[in-house]
Amino acid sequence: EIVMMQSPGTLSLSPGERATLSCRASQSVSNNNLVWYQQKPGQAPRLLIYGTSNRATGIPDRFSGSGSGTDFTLTISRLEPEDFAMYYCQHYVTSRNTFGQGTKLEIK
Amino acid sequence: EQLVESGGGVVQPGTSLRLSCAASGFTFSTYGIHWVRQAPGKGLEWVAVIWHDGSKEYYADSLKGRFTISRDNSKNRVYLQMNSLRVEDTAVYYCARDVWGNADYWFDPWGQGTLVTVSS
Repeated sequence: EIVMMQSPGTLSLSPGERATLSCRASQSVSNNNLVWYQQKPGQAPRLLIYGTSNRATGIPDRFSGSGSGTDFTLTISRLEPEDFAMYYCQHYVTSRNTFGQGTKLEIK
Repeated sequence: EQLVESGGGVVQPGTSLRLSCAASGFTFSTYGIHWVRQAPGKGLEWVAVIWHDGSKEYYADSLKGRFTISRDNSKNRVYLQMNSLRVEDTAVYYCARDVWGNADYWFDPWGQGTLVTVSS
């Protein structure tokens, strides 16, 4: 089973700053199968990025995804107050999905 | 496009519970549905998936045959039968639609979740 590891565990930044969140796979994965979700307290996860770099409908262009092989990145170019939340990466396999442990993006 | 879970509650260890996921706003019978759970203060854990026509089911190894996923396309519902519940099964259980496009795959939308608490 492929293990997804996210870093850092917690990222403390201020509004207006740039956020870089990392997701590393224990072995190479297809770009088609790398997904990012945002989750706020008390809410369900929300799709942000699919296929490594494709923004979901309604997601602002300050969110971008990149990477290949084992290393993937979610970048938020300029943080807005509503961006402070948990972020999870997912390696999609229909029969064996795995999620990273999450990165908490908190206000500094 | 919406998914709504129900059936959660407080149960004792060793008992059973059936969760339901009701879909609306899309052609339910053409999509697979996943269950994902989240223990209090923890991350997301994939639980199970059922094919659009119910022909295939897959489960997380950790469940060891205690959970069964099923669906009724005439009712636009997916179910998760949970048996021999353990304290460690305590979590919010989400259902999510399996989506694909241009060789990419993802879960969207997700339901709001239903809380299952296993406690004596």
